Amino acid sequence: ELKVEQNPLFLSMQEGKNYTIYCNYSTTSDRLYWYRQDPGKSLESLFVLLSNGAVKQEGRLMASLDTKARLSTLHITAAVHDLSATYFCAVPLLKETSGSRLTFGEGTQLTVNP
Amino acid sequence: DSGVTQTPKHLITATGQRVTLRCSPRSGDLSVYWYQQSLDQGLQFLIQYYNGEERAKGNILERFSAQQFPDLHSELNLSSLELGDSALYFCASSEGHLNREAFFGQGTRLTVV
Repeated sequence: ELKVEQNPLFLSMQEGKNYTIYCNYSTTSDRLYWYRQDPGKSLESLFVLLSNGAVKQEGRLMASLDTKARLSTLHITAAVHDLSATYFCAVPLLKETSGSRLTFGEGTQLTVNP
Repeated sequence: DSGVTQTPKHLITATGQRVTLRCSPRSGDLSVYWYQQSLDQGLQFLIQYYNGEERAKGNILERFSAQQFPDLHSELNLSSLELGDSALYFCASSEGHLNREAFFGQGTRLTVV
């Protein structure tokens, strides 16, 4: 069974600081997704990482994927209050004969304080 | 706006009742996925339909069922509702089998009282 673990689960940081969220998964996958969720809202796609060594950046967020280590990181640079949200990583389980699904991590609740 | 439409946005119902949640996928997407988000279980995959056929099943209770219609919209039916079924139910769609992105709807917040 595929397990996806994130840490930390809660992160309180000051504006202007840097931090990294980690996502480990238990079985082989060559792709990984990061989502953002504001309270009570939908999941917004942030990054789709499709290969080993993939690195993508959008604003103050940068995501990377190491498929050999089964690890993805989401790095936050110079945090601002608007980044406060819950961040999820998700790993697809793809089976040719039986479809596909995303297995999500527990989520990292990020609070950026002024 | 992801292009995935879910209705209704909110639903309050009593225990023992039955409700239907509706999802319209993005134009051109053939796969529809249903997920349940609750405080104690997190985000859990329920079921996937691809072009009208069930393709993958997750932790979906027997009291729950789903279908995808010829126009590709999908419905999730929840019956004999219990307090523990209160959750946010998301529908997502993708072009194929998660080759690329899955796009999520706004969700239906179900409250069972």
